Amino acid sequence: EPEVTQTPSHQVTQMGQEVILRCVPISNHLYFYWYRQILGQKVEFLVSFYNNEISEKSEIFDDQFSVERPDGSNFTLKIRSTKLEDSAMYFCASKAGGTYTGELFFGEGSRLTVL
Amino acid sequence: EDQVTQSPEALRLQEGESSSLNCSYTVSGLRGLFWYRQDPGKGPEFLFTLYSAGEEKEKERLKATLTKKESFLHITAPKPEDSATYLCVAGGNTPLVFGKGTRLSVIA
Repeated sequence: EPEVTQTPSHQVTQMGQEVILRCVPISNHLYFYWYRQILGQKVEFLVSFYNNEISEKSEIFDDQFSVERPDGSNFTLKIRSTKLEDSAMYFCASKAGGTYTGELFFGEGSRLTVL
Repeated sequence: EDQVTQSPEALRLQEGESSSLNCSYTVSGLRGLFWYRQDPGKGPEFLFTLYSAGEEKEKERLKATLTKKESFLHITAPKPEDSATYLCVAGGNTPLVFGKGTRLSVIA
């Protein structure tokens, strides 16, 4: 069964360092997303990506964040200068095209710990 | 502001003891109401889509229903493997809005 894969599963970094989280969405999907979940909190939307550009972003997704789809398979989230409050589980998700659906396929997440 | 509120926060059931989880939502231009399951340390897994009031969907021991202001996830004769956090998610004019979830524990 096709799945969304994320790497690394866990990353520990020092405050101020740059971090890149990687995702391989399901191959024929057209919409790509990053969400985050701070421990014990709700899943929060960060950004959506379609047709090689950002389609929507939340207030959380400020200038320190960026996304890229460098080739036909990878989808990355870069955090330029990490802060303590960036510590969270980051989930990548993808969705097939077509009619409106909330059926997103999530990866297993990348846990980011900022010290 | 779009909001999704789930209750209870946690629920502990004996195996075979049926119950319901509640989700109330305030979302502008609701296009769909979705239920996901999340196991510890994992990403959410899609369960159901509900598009209009009165609609019901079933999958094994789970049944989701929708009214104009609420959705319910009914669990009939649960088993220990149903233990997970169940997330209610609303889709409207903004990106998906997640509730905080109900953490279900089913004890054998």
